[in-house]
Amino acid sequence: AQTVTQSQPEMSVQEAETVTLSCTYDTSENNYYLFWYKQPPSRQMILVIRQEAYKQQNATENRFSVNFQKAAKSFSLKISDSQLGDTAMYFCAFMGPARTGTASKLTFGTGTRLQVTL
Amino acid sequence: NAGVTQTPKFQVLKTGQSMTLQCAQDMNHEYMSWYRQDPGMGLRLIHYSVGAGITDQGEVPNGYNVSRSTTEDFPLRLLSAAPSQTSVYFCASRSSTGTYEQYFGPGTRLTVT
Repeated sequence: AQTVTQSQPEMSVQEAETVTLSCTYDTSENNYYLFWYKQPPSRQMILVIRQEAYKQQNATENRFSVNFQKAAKSFSLKISDSQLGDTAMYFCAFMGPARTGTASKLTFGTGTRLQVTL
Repeated sequence: NAGVTQTPKFQVLKTGQSMTLQCAQDMNHEYMSWYRQDPGMGLRLIHYSVGAGITDQGEVPNGYNVSRSTTEDFPLRLLSAAPSQTSVYFCASRSSTGTYEQYFGPGTRLTVT
């Protein structure tokens, strides 16, 4: 079974600074998908960024980028130029290969609560 | 597009009562799932469906039933509510092709007393 570990329960960063959230996972699959979701106080789950394991290039979305290390099974999220609106819970999630049973479901980490301060 | 909708947003039940959490999506997605979110535990999969008429159990299925008679709807039934089922419940859907992004509903906060 796949597992996802987020070892930082809480983090704090000053506005305009850069912060990195850590995520490691365990799987025997070669092809899979990784995601970072943001959950603000409204509790809506919002996709921040996705990474396909077969792509070596790290995904980027504006101020958000990932450092995907497949051999180390590591998938960290970097937030640049942090803004007050980035304050939220961040979840790392794993999904197995397409057209398999594990493609039907996301396995989540326990989350990192990020606080952006002035 | 309304996306994924869930009703109700909040619910309080007494132990032993039954209820159904409703979930609907208008994106013609084949895959639908139910998750529960508890403090310090992230989201855990309860049940999922890969298409109308096909459902399967997730990580924490006990105490819950699902059925999928249409592509659009995927209700979650609590047969006899227990305090351990106090949680926030999320429904999600995704297409079988494309980016595999899961779209989440706004969640239902359920309290069982």
